Amino acid sequence: SQQGEEDPQALSIQEGENATMNCSYKTSINNLQWYRQNSGRGLVHLILIRSNEREKHSGRLRVTLDTSKKSSSLLITASRAADTASYFCATDQGGKLIFGQGTELSVKP
Amino acid sequence: GAVVSQHPSWVICKSGTSVKIECRSLDFQATTMFWYRQFPKQSLMLMATSNEGSKATYEQGVEKDKFLINHASLTLSTLTVTSAHPEDSSFYICSAGGHSGNTIYFGEGSWLTVV
Repeated sequence: SQQGEEDPQALSIQEGENATMNCSYKTSINNLQWYRQNSGRGLVHLILIRSNEREKHSGRLRVTLDTSKKSSSLLITASRAADTASYFCATDQGGKLIFGQGTELSVKP
Repeated sequence: GAVVSQHPSWVICKSGTSVKIECRSLDFQATTMFWYRQFPKQSLMLMATSNEGSKATYEQGVEKDKFLINHASLTLSTLTVTSAHPEDSSFYICSAGGHSGNTIYFGEGSWLTVV
């Protein structure tokens, strides 16, 4: 399969809680990106972390990358109902973006 | 505003007919665009790489004669689903950009329903 794994597949939390999603991939990468997708809509780019970086922050988002384990995590702090969406990691493999399975996040008000 | 535009946003067609989806880069020239397919509750699967002025590169398992890709200009790629069947019903998304570390932009996607 061209895709990596993400877990959990679905996550339901209360507003204000933190949400952590994990992604594993199979090949060497130049960078890893996280995207958000609202139901039935296009993708929104959240953050890109390069292979020589270990951690990156953007607002309430924190991404880590462990190239030795071929894994990444996305942490959303102080979640809001508006964060409800599907989240995908994607690895840049020779210019092609290959997506993970995704995590469906539901934040309950 | 959107930098990659897809049209139509949704389309319903009859089995056996062909349907064309357009992907346009609005603010930049794109020598390469990518087409993805997404079934409900699933991830995006890369179908093919669209190359301006040359043949598209298809991923394993994607029928090139069924999913025709034309990239005739630096701002437009089209995906034509030929002889559509109900199992082709899906969400199709294109992307462009990403060269030299630039951001990759995605279109808003096109819902195809084959009845």
